[in-house]
Amino acid sequence: QSALTQPRSVSGSPGQSVTISCTGTSSDIGGYNSVSWYQQHPGKAPKLMIYDVTKRPSGVPDRFSGSKSGNTASLTISGLQAEDEADYYCCSYAGSYTYWLFGGGTKLTVL
Amino acid sequence: QVQLVESGGGVVQPGRSLRLSCAASGFTLSTYAVHWVRQAPGKGLEWVAVISYDGSNEYYADSVMGRFTISRDNSKNTLYLQMNSVRAEDTAMYYCARALRHFDWSSPLDYWGQGTLVTVSS
Repeated sequence: QSALTQPRSVSGSPGQSVTISCTGTSSDIGGYNSVSWYQQHPGKAPKLMIYDVTKRPSGVPDRFSGSKSGNTASLTISGLQAEDEADYYCCSYAGSYTYWLFGGGTKLTVL
Repeated sequence: QVQLVESGGGVVQPGRSLRLSCAASGFTLSTYAVHWVRQAPGKGLEWVAVISYDGSNEYYADSVMGRFTISRDNSKNTLYLQMNSVRAEDTAMYYCARALRHFDWSSPLDYWGQGTLVTVSS
C-alpha cells in the first residue's frame, strides 16, 4: 500500500498558524482513529507530537493540535516559533496486512 | 527516563546478514510492544515490523517479509532485528520505537531511539 500523502513543504512567519494535511484512504486514516504526528529535527529521532488524532503527549505545547475529516488528517501549529522548523510526518494504523503507514513528510520552514 | 539505544549497524554486503539490537531502560519492556522503523538517507519514515509485548505476535512490512525477523528477550530488556539477504534498498537508519500503551501492539509509537545506520554495499 502507498504511503500517506503530505505536502512536501509549508512555511509561515513567527506567530502565524500553519496546517499540514495528510491524505489516505478508508483503509487507513478513514477507518481508524489512530493517526499520529511526529516532529523530526535534522539528525534527530522523531518525536511524538499528536496521537489518536487529537491527543497531545505531556510536554507538547498546546500550540500543536490535530484533527481528521474523512480520509484526511491535519496538524495545525499556531503561534509559530523558530524551533518548530522541522520535518513532520503523519502516521496511521492501517489494519491487518499493512499495519502502519507513514506519510512522505512535510518540511516546515519558519520564515 | 525511558531510553532506547540501538546498536549493530554498519556496512554489509548485499545478500549477507546483520543483527540489530535495541536496549531498553527506564520502563518495563515486557509490557510493551516494540517496533522497528527505518529511514533511507534523505527520505521519509518507513515502518518495518512490530512484535507484541510477549513475543507471541510479529507483523512485517511487505518489503521485508521473509527476510527480516523481529524478536525480543524480555529478560535482557532487548529487542532484535535479524536482517537476512539484505539489499541495497535496505540502506537506512533503523530506529526502534515503543508502543504507547501497555499490551497494545496497535497503539501509536511514542518513544524512539536515536537509530543505528545500516549501509548495504559491496
